[in-house]
Amino acid sequence: SQTIHQWPATLVQPVGSPLSLECTVEGTSNPNLYWYRQAAGRGLQLLFYSVGIGQISSEVPQNLSASRPQDRQFILSSKKLLLSDSGFYLCAWTGTGKNIQYFGAGTRLSVL
Amino acid sequence: DAKTTQPPSMDCAEGRAANLPCNHSTISGNEYVYWYRQIHSQGPQYIIHGLKNNETNEMASLIITEDRKSSTLILPHATLRDTAVYYCIVRVVYIGNTPLVFGKGTRLSVIA
Repeated sequence: SQTIHQWPATLVQPVGSPLSLECTVEGTSNPNLYWYRQAAGRGLQLLFYSVGIGQISSEVPQNLSASRPQDRQFILSSKKLLLSDSGFYLCAWTGTGKNIQYFGAGTRLSVL
Repeated sequence: DAKTTQPPSMDCAEGRAANLPCNHSTISGNEYVYWYRQIHSQGPQYIIHGLKNNETNEMASLIITEDRKSSTLILPHATLRDTAVYYCIVRVVYIGNTPLVFGKGTRLSVIA
């Protein structure tokens, strides 16, 4: 069966520090991968999506970047975190049928 | 994607059926109805989806009216662990590169 792993679960980082969040999917090949952010009490905002290795599309201009070095690995990064980068970050994937999106457990990031 | 309307909150007694309504009066012929839920501090969880026929899986049943303008998600025997925000989403079946758009959903509280 397919599973999605996201880590870490929680992270506290100072302003100006770098960020690296990792997401991996098991049990499938060539998935579409997504990074979302959910601010407190609000809906999900799509940040990046990828349809293949090295292919990244950005939805919102921001202080973040994404990379897909391997088929089932998706990384969210920042060189210098801002206070506004705090939030709940979610990775998601769609498989062969492309009709259901599955989410990871999320990473709660607090930038202080 | 068609807009959906859900009540902001509902209560349900433990062990009873929880019936969560959703209105989607502008739904198009090629749009499916998807249901997700988000338990506090977790990633959204896929529940079920359907086009026009009623659907059932191990988690829930989905009842779609004949005119497809509304639907009801049924949790047959609600437990305390079903307390979550439930989202009704209408979109074409191929998600592809576009994100899911989560509204405010219905906050279901299952009471012992």
